[in-house]
Amino acid sequence: KNEVEQSPQNLTAQEGEFITINCSYSVGISALHWLQQHPGGGIVSLFMLSSGKKKHGRLIATINIQEKHSSLHITASHPRDSAVYICAVRSNFGNEKLTFGTGTRLTIIP
Amino acid sequence: NAGVMQNPRHLVRRRGQEARLRCSPVKGHSHVYWYRQLPEEGLKFMVYLQKENIIDESGMPKERFSAEFPKEGPSILRIQQVVRGDSAAYFCASSPLAGPRTDTQYFGPGTRLTVL
Repeated sequence: KNEVEQSPQNLTAQEGEFITINCSYSVGISALHWLQQHPGGGIVSLFMLSSGKKKHGRLIATINIQEKHSSLHITASHPRDSAVYICAVRSNFGNEKLTFGTGTRLTIIP
Repeated sequence: NAGVMQNPRHLVRRRGQEARLRCSPVKGHSHVYWYRQLPEEGLKFMVYLQKENIIDESGMPKERFSAEFPKEGPSILRIQQVVRGDSAAYFCASSPLAGPRTDTQYFGPGTRLTVL
């Protein structure tokens, strides 16, 4: 079992729909990151969370430390949101490396 | 402010040649991380460096791969005697000097290595 699991692997939705991407992890963590990888391959860091909830524009990220679960939500989705969304965790065992999920490929249809 | 810069963006090498990938972190950042993304696979940690020190290289293959982050200049990921299985996208990320362990990492655009 991977340390970081994402679901769904692929998601296709109509423009305007509310999107939820889930991330579950099995290790103790000091932080969780949500990243966006564009079709061209570049990676953008969207959020870093250690507790609670963060919001940036139409994006919302939540984390439940007790349940070892995080969600990324996109409101009023748009075709430009089409990308791969990656969850990554930093363990709390004293090292700095990130462990990544395999990503969720999101396609928003106009 | 310039973000993380990587060059070259695309690199083609024949089997047995050396590949040298460069990463210039965000100005003022002294923590650098290298990650590899194999085709159709997720990102994997390779190495974490601070200026002149390798902090964690647990994700680096034991042979042919090395990394450095000198006092002056960019961080270098070096792959000797490349093989086809080294074909991948290599991403560099950086974070600030004095931040807590939960600092955001800023990613570069990646170098896509193709081994013929």
